[in-house]
Amino acid sequence: KQEVTQIPAALSVPEGENLVLNCSFTDSAIYNLQWFRQDPGKGLTSLLLIQSSQREQTSGRLNASLDKSSGRSTLYIAASQPGDSATYLCAVKAAGNKLTFGGGTRVLVKP
Amino acid sequence: EAGVAQSPRYKIIEKRQSVAFWCNPISGHATLYWYQQILGQGPKLLIQFQNNGVVDDSQLPKDRFSAERLKGVDSTLKIQPAKLEDSAVYLCASSLWGGSGVSGELFFGEGSRLTVL
Repeated sequence: KQEVTQIPAALSVPEGENLVLNCSFTDSAIYNLQWFRQDPGKGLTSLLLIQSSQREQTSGRLNASLDKSSGRSTLYIAASQPGDSATYLCAVKAAGNKLTFGGGTRVLVKP
Repeated sequence: EAGVAQSPRYKIIEKRQSVAFWCNPISGHATLYWYQQILGQGPKLLIQFQNNGVVDDSQLPKDRFSAERLKGVDSTLKIQPAKLEDSAVYLCASSLWGGSGVSGELFFGEGSRLTVL
């Protein structure tokens, strides 16, 4: 059974600092890994999707890496802004299109 | 392109009452998911449809929860009777069916927040 873990559960940084969010999974037989952002009371917004054959994906200030062999993904957010405050979730897709989520990392960027 | 639509956004009921949530996925998306998200936790899969067939409902409490996807498009999730622990946000998501070797991105709706008193 696939298990996805995100550590730390919460993170507070001053504005301008780079954010590093971690995601680990137990079964490396995945199709892809997706990072989401969730604002309070809202649904999930997709940030980046990394296919199993890829090692990283970039979008603006966001960069996500994937190391299947070690069961890890890292989301980097450069030059954080208060608007980046949200909960960030990673999810791993495996056989049968089944998606398993981590518990999320709650981020606070202080002005 | 229209996103995943869900309704109602908010619902407050008393325990033992029933409630239904509706989801309209993105046009052309064959796979539809219902997730339950309790405050402070990651989403938990309740049921996954491929067109109008169930792929995975292993975590659906079938004594009180039911879901259907008529004609492989819209879906309804029902809870009857509701318990206090059902208070959560119910998220609907959809994706293209990628088939072997190709897997699609998931798109989520805004969610339906249920409060059971």
